[in-house]
Amino acid sequence: QQQVKQSPQSLIVQKGGISIINCAYENTAFDYFPWYQQFPGKGPALLIAIRPDVSEKKEGRFTISFNKSAKQFSLHIMDSQPGDSATYFCAASGWGFKTIFGAGTRLFVKA
Amino acid sequence: EPEVTQTPSHQVTQMGQEVILRCVPISNHLYFYWYRQILGQKVEFLVSFYNNEISEKSEIFDDQFSVERPDGSNFTLKIRSTKLEDSAMYFCASSRTSGTRPRDEQYFGPGTRLTVT
Repeated sequence: QQQVKQSPQSLIVQKGGISIINCAYENTAFDYFPWYQQFPGKGPALLIAIRPDVSEKKEGRFTISFNKSAKQFSLHIMDSQPGDSATYFCAASGWGFKTIFGAGTRLFVKA
Repeated sequence: EPEVTQTPSHQVTQMGQEVILRCVPISNHLYFYWYRQILGQKVEFLVSFYNNEISEKSEIFDDQFSVERPDGSNFTLKIRSTKLEDSAMYFCASSRTSGTRPRDEQYFGPGTRLTVT
């Protein structure tokens, strides 16, 4: 019930393309869904987050789509750039619940 | 921009030794967390801390682990008797509060790489 399943494990995208990473959760009590970006040797950095009262949130080239009934959410990176190459983690949390991270997606954007 | 800092960046210790990992959270944050990440794997929650006590801990956080806020700025994680499987990156994070509830946005430090030999 506490798992967050993330796919794909790795992703290669051409520069300028769209990167899409998917996550699914089980616990309906989760009410906060962040995405973190992690570069090698660094800590995770909050990228964008969404709450279940909206179905989409956009910040620059990054968009979260949220499907409450399916218990799924996804990250879309538009116009992907080589500098976006990193590991991306989805996560889920809620009041009284620890933050649960997905397994991570290694994104490589080819120049 | 304020950030979470951690020291040391890399700690090598022998099995059975005690280690203390140090963190300085962002100054106006009141909720503190420790996470670990075994090489190539996902980030795992260890413990959260508020008002000088543990608010939540995971099954990983057993009696070998303890946390402390020894002064107004530092937040430490102690592992009493390290095991080989404790080798990992340990991340400290902090968040502000909204009333007594933590704000959801957590800010992570750069991590301490712990190597147990």
